Amino acid sequence: QPVLTQPPSASASLGASVTLTCTLSSGYSNYKVDWYQQRPGKGPRFVMRVGTGGIVGSKGDGIPDRFSVLGSGLNRYLTIKNIQEEDESDYHCGADHGSGSNFVWVFGGGTKLTVL
Amino acid sequence: QVQLQESGPGLVKPSQTLSLTCTVSGGSISSGSYYWSWIRQPAGKGLEWIGRIYTSGSTNYNPSLKSRVTISVDTSKNQFSLKLSSVTAADTAVYYCARRGVYGAANYYFDYWGQGTLVTVSS
Repeated sequence: QPVLTQPPSASASLGASVTLTCTLSSGYSNYKVDWYQQRPGKGPRFVMRVGTGGIVGSKGDGIPDRFSVLGSGLNRYLTIKNIQEEDESDYHCGADHGSGSNFVWVFGGGTKLTVL
Repeated sequence: QVQLQESGPGLVKPSQTLSLTCTVSGGSISSGSYYWSWIRQPAGKGLEWIGRIYTSGSTNYNPSLKSRVTISVDTSKNQFSLKLSSVTAADTAVYYCARRGVYGAANYYFDYWGQGTLVTVSS
């Protein structure tokens, strides 16, 4: 099954842009990942799903246009432009592996985004 | 509007079995369009998928927890449940239940989550 690696922290100034990275382990370059936002003290919220061709499907409810994704090689990126205070959150990526009785879901360790 | 609500003891003694229930409202758990999952998060750490169940009762579990986990569904009560045996302090976490569409569906993602319930393992 894949391992998803995320930097533990990131920071950006108000109004700036930031790109968060989720890296799949070797051999899983065709995998799609979900991005989830988790504000302090809250449950996760779906942001969007991304493969090497970019977004898969639609954004989650209420996700602003400032959020976008890209996929390249083993990396899946979440970019936030014009960062706002409410974007300060933990961001988690996750992917599925296998099917039927062999299905598993894997999360990365999450990245804590601080808005300066 | 679909809502998920976790319930169960907030304190469990080491070596005992943790039991939680997720009650689904605003939609039928019997719909064949969704999987129902349990996910947990230790304080200050990332999310960990525990396992999932389909309305038919078929299950998948995280290999690292498989020997201790049982997920079941009660369609008559619109609920699904988690049992985690032989708990230790490492099982202390916020436990979430969540819904995910089936593969190929437009909502093939975790679209609805419970608010989470803290379970502490301590004597």
